[in-house]
Amino acid sequence: AQSVTQLGSHVSVSEGALVLLRCNYSSSVPPYLFWYVQYPNQGLQLLLKYTSAATLVKGINGFEAEFKKSETSFHLTKPSAHMSDAAEYFCAVSGSYGQNFVFGPGTRLSVLP
Amino acid sequence: DAGITQSPRYKITETGRQVTLMCHQTWSHSYMFWYRQDLGHGLRLIYYSAAADITDKGEVPDGYVVSRSKTENFPLTLESATRSQTSVYFCASSESAGRTQYFGPGTRLLVL
Repeated sequence: AQSVTQLGSHVSVSEGALVLLRCNYSSSVPPYLFWYVQYPNQGLQLLLKYTSAATLVKGINGFEAEFKKSETSFHLTKPSAHMSDAAEYFCAVSGSYGQNFVFGPGTRLSVLP
Repeated sequence: DAGITQSPRYKITETGRQVTLMCHQTWSHSYMFWYRQDLGHGLRLIYYSAAADITDKGEVPDGYVVSRSKTENFPLTLESATRSQTSVYFCASSESAGRTQYFGPGTRLLVL
């Protein structure tokens, strides 16, 4: 079985500052890991995904995440926050053998001017 | 390339009425999903379908009915709407289990 935790339901950063959103997972099989972003009044959009290739994954809008098996983590980072990054971010895990998705509770990112 | 669409986008109904939310995808994905999103609960899986005529319950199936007679459509029916079913409903699809899910824009449902 898989599960996901996201530390911090709400994170605030200043424009231009580093964005770090934390995701830890548990999985009984090699995982696939995903980050989704949800802008207000919209559906979820895939930011990036890890599927057992490179451990550092680059996504859209300058975001990237690093898979660390020893820490069971898949934290999302962006070097410099932009006002347009304000949104809800969801981490998700599935099993590489076909187990269904489990979403984390989400982290709301606010970007302060 | 329409992708995945949901209709209606907004719906107001009354307690006890039947409501059907539609979901249509153009990718011929095998898997389709229905989620509800509520403050404090994140995304919760209602039902999913692995293929036409194959459906299974998710985390919160009570009060909902689904069908999948065609691969591209996955309607969700609230047989007798209750106020607790006021929520935002998202449909998603994926090529296979565990793979990337692609989401529709959502349906905001208000049950009075």
